[in-house]
Amino acid sequence: EAGVVQSPRYKIIEKKQPVAFWCNPISGHNTLYWYLQNLGQGPELLIRYENEEAVDDSQLPKDRFSAERLKGVDSTLKIQPAELGDSAVYLCASSIQGSHEQYFGPGTRLTVT
Amino acid sequence: GENVEQHPSTLSVQEGDSAVIKCTYSDSASNYFPWYKQELGKGPQLIIDIRSNVGEKKDQRIAVTLNKTAKHFSLHITETQPEDSAVYFCAASMGGTYKYIFGTGTRLKVLA
Repeated sequence: EAGVVQSPRYKIIEKKQPVAFWCNPISGHNTLYWYLQNLGQGPELLIRYENEEAVDDSQLPKDRFSAERLKGVDSTLKIQPAELGDSAVYLCASSIQGSHEQYFGPGTRLTVT
Repeated sequence: GENVEQHPSTLSVQEGDSAVIKCTYSDSASNYFPWYKQELGKGPQLIIDIRSNVGEKKDQRIAVTLNKTAKHFSLHITETQPEDSAVYFCAASMGGTYKYIFGTGTRLKVLA
């Protein structure tokens, strides 16, 4: 069974540019999470989806970050415009609805110069 | 806000020895405590978890203990092997939700 797929794996952009990350969860997993992981830190939740509904986006900086999961499967996380402080690894995870077991993708390492 | 503290930040052990990583949490309503292993360039991988109605859980060489009164939980790895080298994260649920607060990680190095 394929795991959580994320692309791109690495992205380098200049500040003030837009960037987008894509995630394909494990088949059948209704719940999808986006996390931010700074170097030497644990993941921090940005947003959680149940199917296509964002049920917890309290930690998402909505002035520059946006996310969507239009058909309740794939999801895209966007930053516009990017700032130097956004350099981090962006992780996507999925789980079966109602289950605590989250499965993480490999992440996208973003570098903003 | 809610907090999870994790110690130590780095740990080196000889192959075959045991390793113990400890976490404390602040939310008395936390009821789910997973442990994740993260290898370089990969996402975290769930290795074991424990719920608040259980005091101990074991899976082969890995065990987790939970002390609800003291609000701390620990990961125990016995007979360590070089492939156990990685960063380990503990986490605690915020109340009964699916939102986790993660610790800051422990870099475990198993010396052959």
